[in-house]
Amino acid sequence: DSGVTQTPKHLITATGQRVTLRCSPRSGDLSVYWYQQSLDQGLQFLIHYYNGEERAKGNILERFSAQQFPDLHSELNLSSLELGDSALYFCASSDGTSGILGELFFGEGSRLTVL
Amino acid sequence: SQQGEEDPQALSIQEGENATMNCSYKTSINNLQWYRQNSGRGLVHLILIRSNEREKHSGRLRVTLDTSKKSSSLLITASRAADTASYFCATDGGTSYDKVIFGPGTSLSVIP
Repeated sequence: DSGVTQTPKHLITATGQRVTLRCSPRSGDLSVYWYQQSLDQGLQFLIHYYNGEERAKGNILERFSAQQFPDLHSELNLSSLELGDSALYFCASSDGTSGILGELFFGEGSRLTVL
Repeated sequence: SQQGEEDPQALSIQEGENATMNCSYKTSINNLQWYRQNSGRGLVHLILIRSNEREKHSGRLRVTLDTSKKSSSLLITASRAADTASYFCATDGGTSYDKVIFGPGTSLSVIP
């Protein structure tokens, strides 16, 4: 058990809809990273939050947004969903206080299916 | 494009053999990490090697780093069927820890 919790584990929805994925990081970890993993794209970095502030953006679509709340949990919002958004979405947390990259702890992912 | 690129994309070996996977990256790094993913599960950290280190061991794992060639290799010795998984390298791209970029991974099958 990594200590990172992601909900929901599975989600099936229709095109055009909006969903919210939730991530609770390991206790004490300030950094949360979001990734999208699809069969043909590998693990794509979406966004990184540190202690409530956005630190870096990757290949995140404008239809996607994220935030990290004061209790450090994070949410990834996906809107106007398309078939191609079907993927496994992971969050990972790390301590983040050392200023250099340390070990990332991954949740078990949220599998999104868009029909 | 990906910061890290693993090679080969897929590898199939017999139990007891050694497995070697390679990772190449494009920009300078502070450190490089290797992760393992069992099918459909979350990634699990295996080992971290800093840019000033050349080799690191952890159990049956041996990682090397050649910053002049911008490449790393992961060696799994005496492989077991339970080692069957996908293996990914990840780098910070010199950004400290802001962006952590994963390569496309090597899918390893260990045949009993």
